[in-house]
Amino acid sequence: GAVVSQHPSRVICKSGTSVKIECRSLDFQATTMFWYRQFPKKSLMLMATSNEGSKATYEQGVEKDKFLINHASLTLSTLTVTSAHPEDSSFYICSARDPLQGRGINEKLFFGSGTQLSVL
Amino acid sequence: QKEVEQNSGPLSVPEGAIASLNCTYSDRVSQSFFWYRQYSGKSPELIMSIYSNGDKEDGRFTAQLNKASQYVSLLIRDSQPSDSATYLCAVNMWNQAGTALIFGKGTTLSVSS
Repeated sequence: GAVVSQHPSRVICKSGTSVKIECRSLDFQATTMFWYRQFPKKSLMLMATSNEGSKATYEQGVEKDKFLINHASLTLSTLTVTSAHPEDSSFYICSARDPLQGRGINEKLFFGSGTQLSVL
Repeated sequence: QKEVEQNSGPLSVPEGAIASLNCTYSDRVSQSFFWYRQYSGKSPELIMSIYSNGDKEDGRFTAQLNKASQYVSLLIRDSQPSDSATYLCAVNMWNQAGTALIFGKGTTLSVSS
């Protein structure tokens, strides 16, 4: 199956610094990638949808200036948490669609392994 | 508001019993429904997908879909301690960017030996 690689798996940073998380589709071209965040014992909350070559579409309540998303190529999307604060500490997960594996309602979504961000 | 609702549990069943997990969703036009299993600190793992009304069986797992009632369920037969995890219901919903997978908050299942 398709593989999505996410790095780093864990990052600890000081308050006020910026952190970049990478999400790569290794064996397919991902025209669309999604970014989720998950607080402990809570569900995955969709943050934004990222289409290659265009601006990301953010969900209501997600600060686009805080969470910068770049999807400059068909295999790489990045999420940068700018000026991180302790309340940004969370588990961030990316996912990508492989348009060649299923069409329409049968489209498959592949997940990265997640990034645990801890802001001190 | 696009929502997927699940009972957070915990749901506790003895080994060998049937575990029943339920989910309702708000978007009537949704066509794709998924059950994921997630262990703490890990990304979700797809267990089942279902697109048509009725039952779909895969080994010990059966997904049930009723679009009229906007209801999806997952049955786990012969539950094993290794099935203990959080089970996430996910529904493909339309948003301004196209479609996206919206997750419920998950049901924690505990299978005791």
